[in-house]
Amino acid sequence: NAGVTQTPKFQVLKTGQSMTLQCAQDMNHEYMSWYRQDPGMGLRLIHYSVGAGITDQGEVPNGYNVSRSTTEDFPLRLLSAAPSQTSVYFCASSYKFGGQGYNEQFFGPGTRLTVL
Amino acid sequence: AQSVSQHNHHVILSEAASLELGCNYSYGGTVNLFWYVQYPGQHLQLLLKYFSGDPLVKGIKGFEAEFIKSKFSFNLRKPSVQWSDTAEYFCAVNEDTGRRALTFGSGTRLQVQP
Repeated sequence: NAGVTQTPKFQVLKTGQSMTLQCAQDMNHEYMSWYRQDPGMGLRLIHYSVGAGITDQGEVPNGYNVSRSTTEDFPLRLLSAAPSQTSVYFCASSYKFGGQGYNEQFFGPGTRLTVL
Repeated sequence: AQSVSQHNHHVILSEAASLELGCNYSYGGTVNLFWYVQYPGQHLQLLLKYFSGDPLVKGIKGFEAEFIKSKFSFNLRKPSVQWSDTAEYFCAVNEDTGRRALTFGSGTRLQVQP
C-alpha cells in the first residue's frame, strides 16, 4: 500500500491564483481530512469528509473548497490564493475502530505552499 | 470548543536524560488521545494512542504516556532520550462524540544534544 499520497510536494503561487492540492489514499478509509501546519500553531483542521459525497468544515475553512467524489480522493482547492495561505498542508485518512469513534489518522508527506 | 495545550514549546536535553512533555486538554467527556512525532522534513507518525483501559500506554521507540483523567492530562515520557529523538512532538485529542476531527496542540520541539 502507498498509504496517503499528496501532490505536489512544493508549490509557489502568486496572489489571486487558484490551484488544487491532490490527496489520495489506498486503504479504503472512510474519513479524510486536510490540515494546515503553521509555526507555533500545531495543525489546524481545514475541511474533512466522512465518506464519498459528504464533506464538512473544520476550524479554518475560509478560502478553501473540497469535494469527495470517490473514497480514494480528497482534493483541496484554493480559490484565490493569499499570502496568509502560505503553509504546509497535510492530508490524513482514518477508519472507524469499533464503537469508539475514529482510530489514528494516517498522514501524507505534505505540500509546502508559498503564496507571493 | 476543545483545546489542547502543550506548555513546553522548546526542550533541549542531553543524550540519556529523561523526558516528560506535558499535554492538557479541555473537553470533559470521553476522549481518545494521541501523540504524534514529526522528524525533520518528514510527515507525522503515530507514537502512541489511548482509547480506554490501562491509563499507562506504551508506544514505539520506548515512549510511554499516562492518561490522568482528573487532571485532563496525557503526558509523554521517555526514560532515556537519544539524539535520534530530535523532532517535534504533537499531542492530539479526539472527542468521542461522533465529531471525527483531531484537535492538535501547538507542538513541542525537542532537541537532543549528543
